[in-house]
Amino acid sequence: DSGVTQTPKHLITATGQRVTLRCSPRSGDLSVYWYQQSLDQGLQFLIQYYNGEERAKGNILERFSAQQFPDLHSELNLSSLELGDSALYFCASSDPGTGAYEQYFGPGTRLTVT
Amino acid sequence: DQQVKQNSPSLSVQEGRISILNCDYTNSMFDYFLWYKKYPAEGPTFLISISSIKDKNEDGRFTVFLNKSAKHLSLHIVPSQPGDSAVYFCAACTSGTYKYIFGTGTRLKVLA
Repeated sequence: DSGVTQTPKHLITATGQRVTLRCSPRSGDLSVYWYQQSLDQGLQFLIQYYNGEERAKGNILERFSAQQFPDLHSELNLSSLELGDSALYFCASSDPGTGAYEQYFGPGTRLTVT
Repeated sequence: DQQVKQNSPSLSVQEGRISILNCDYTNSMFDYFLWYKKYPAEGPTFLISISSIKDKNEDGRFTVFLNKSAKHLSLHIVPSQPGDSAVYFCAACTSGTYKYIFGTGTRLKVLA
C-alpha cells in the first residue's frame, strides 16, 4: 500500500459527459502528479501541483483541468469526454522538499467512455 | 517525440537467471532516472533510481547502470524470481523540474 488513494476505482460514462477523479496523497507529501495510461502506452504526464499551486504541465488537453486543495487532496476534471479519453488515470505523490525524486502511485481510476 | 524508449515490449527469463531491462533516452538534460514495477490492477511501485553523477546503483537484487554517453540505462535483476514478473517502466526527469517522462514499459515474465 503506497498510501496514495484514488476514487473511484472504475468509472463508466458517455461521450460528452464530465467526470471528476479524486486523489489523496501520502501523508506529508506536498506534491501531486496526474498521469494517463492508455492501452499499451506508457504513463503520460499530465500535470503536477505542489502545495496547492500548479508546478509543471505535460500534455494535458484543454478539456482537462486539475486543482489541489488546502488539505492537499487533488481532483482531475475531464470534460466533453471522447472515446479516446478511455484510459487508466494515476495519481502520484512525492515530497520534493526532501530532495527525493521517487513518486508513490495510487491504484488508479479506470475510465471507460462509451 | 518519445524521449524515453523501452524498445523491448516483453522479456522472458528463467528463474534464477539474470534479467536485463533496457531503456534509452534522447534528452541530454535528463539527470535523474527511475525504475518502477507495475503489477496488473495496481499502480506503479518505485524500485530503484540513479542520479547522473553515478554510473551504478545497487539495491539488493536490483542494479541500475547508467551510460550517459550512450544515453542508455539498464536494470539488472539477479537472481530473477517468479514474483518479479511484472511490467517495468523507466522514467527520466531533469532535477528541479519534477516533470517525469516514462517509457512504454517492458513486460517481464520469469519462468519457474
